[in-house]
Amino acid sequence: DAEITQSPRHKITETGRQVTLACHQTWNHNNMFWYRQDLGHGLRLIHYSYGVHDTNKGEVSDGYSVSRSNTEDLPLTLESAASSQTSVYFCASTSSGGHYNEQFFGPGTRLTVL
Amino acid sequence: AQSVTQPDIHITVSEGASLELRCNYSYGATPYLFWYVQSPGQGLQLLLKYFSGDTLVQGIKGFEAEFKRSQSSFNLRKPSVHWSDAAEYFCAVASRSGGGADGLTFGKGTHLIIQP
Repeated sequence: DAEITQSPRHKITETGRQVTLACHQTWNHNNMFWYRQDLGHGLRLIHYSYGVHDTNKGEVSDGYSVSRSNTEDLPLTLESAASSQTSVYFCASTSSGGHYNEQFFGPGTRLTVL
Repeated sequence: AQSVTQPDIHITVSEGASLELRCNYSYGATPYLFWYVQSPGQGLQLLLKYFSGDTLVQGIKGFEAEFKRSQSSFNLRKPSVHWSDAAEYFCAVASRSGGGADGLTFGKGTHLIIQP
């Protein structure tokens, strides 16, 4: 069955370190997204991609970057991790075409920055 | 910019009682509307969605939602809750112009507690 996976599921790192969170989908979806979830804020969009070599900034993109070298993967990089980036991170994907297509979410990565 | 408001941070309901979770949105036109549920430690599952047409939409797990354009609302209802419905519920919108490809805007969530 097609799925969307995230790794690692849990990560503890130190302030200033570079961290990369992986997202891999086997739906062959063109559109991929990264959100962060914080208590009292719901989910907020960090970055999104319409396809290979395309990336776009979302609402809370500062301190994050993404790259899309193939259809299946959209890794999220924290260049210099900060305590404010402690959060749960969700990846999602959706197909293109038609008037709307459902987003499918991964299981999440819990990141703690000490 | 579009926004979603869920006025209730926590709601406590007795098992078997009816439920209504409120959602209001701010958007220039009618967006696509969604309700998601998140069980503890889990990802998000789509309960239902509204695109157009009938303003009362049916979803999974016995949930329904009613779109009211005049009130910019999309409230979620269930006639009789079960203990397994205890979870976090998120209302979300997507712009029609982007077809949803530019991401979802979520409310802050409502935490549902079920009393025995």
